[in-house]
Amino acid sequence: GQQVMQIPQYQHVQEGEDFTTYCNSSTTLSNIQWYKQRPGGHPVFLIQLVKSGEVKKQKRLTFQFGEAKKNSSLHITATQTTDVGTYFCAAIYGGATNKLIFGTGTLLAVQP
Amino acid sequence: EAGVTQFPSHSVIEKGQTVTLRCDPISGHDNLYWYRRVMGKEIKFLLHFVKESKQDESGMPNNRFLAERTGGTYSTLKVQPAELEDSGVYFCASIRYSLNTEAFFGQGTRLTVV
Repeated sequence: GQQVMQIPQYQHVQEGEDFTTYCNSSTTLSNIQWYKQRPGGHPVFLIQLVKSGEVKKQKRLTFQFGEAKKNSSLHITATQTTDVGTYFCAAIYGGATNKLIFGTGTLLAVQP
Repeated sequence: EAGVTQFPSHSVIEKGQTVTLRCDPISGHDNLYWYRRVMGKEIKFLLHFVKESKQDESGMPNNRFLAERTGGTYSTLKVQPAELEDSGVYFCASIRYSLNTEAFFGQGTRLTVV
């Protein structure tokens, strides 16, 4: 079935260091989304990427969609303790069902 | 507008009992998804409704799980009889494709089967 892999599963950084999580799909995606889930919270939408090679920025967060539309990355510059949480990519697999499938997630811990 | 609401927020039941979770999506959102997250792991797809129709229930673990969405509004997910491995956080999400594909999540129901 459809599966979206993310690496790493866990990342521990010192506050101020950068962080990157990578998302890979075995099939070409029509678009990809990123969500953040704080500890004890629920997933919250961050952004959607649609175009091949697209790059979008939100303050210290940079999102990229691969040229082949099979991979994506999220980069956080100069992490802060408020960045703590699990970051998920998610992809809609189209056809008859338009099923939203989540990646395996990357848990980010930031040490002050 | 009101967000996605789920009830109850927590439920602790004994193995063999029945539990029903409820999700009220955002009004006008035809697409409703159920997901489960176990022990801080991946967010696993359970099923997808479009209005009152089940579009995809390939993620439902077994026939102890029954989801309904009567009238295409709120949805229920019933687990009967519950087993220990059913413990986890059950999330509901709704999407309105006519505008965009952002999924709005409820706060989740934390189910503990003891």
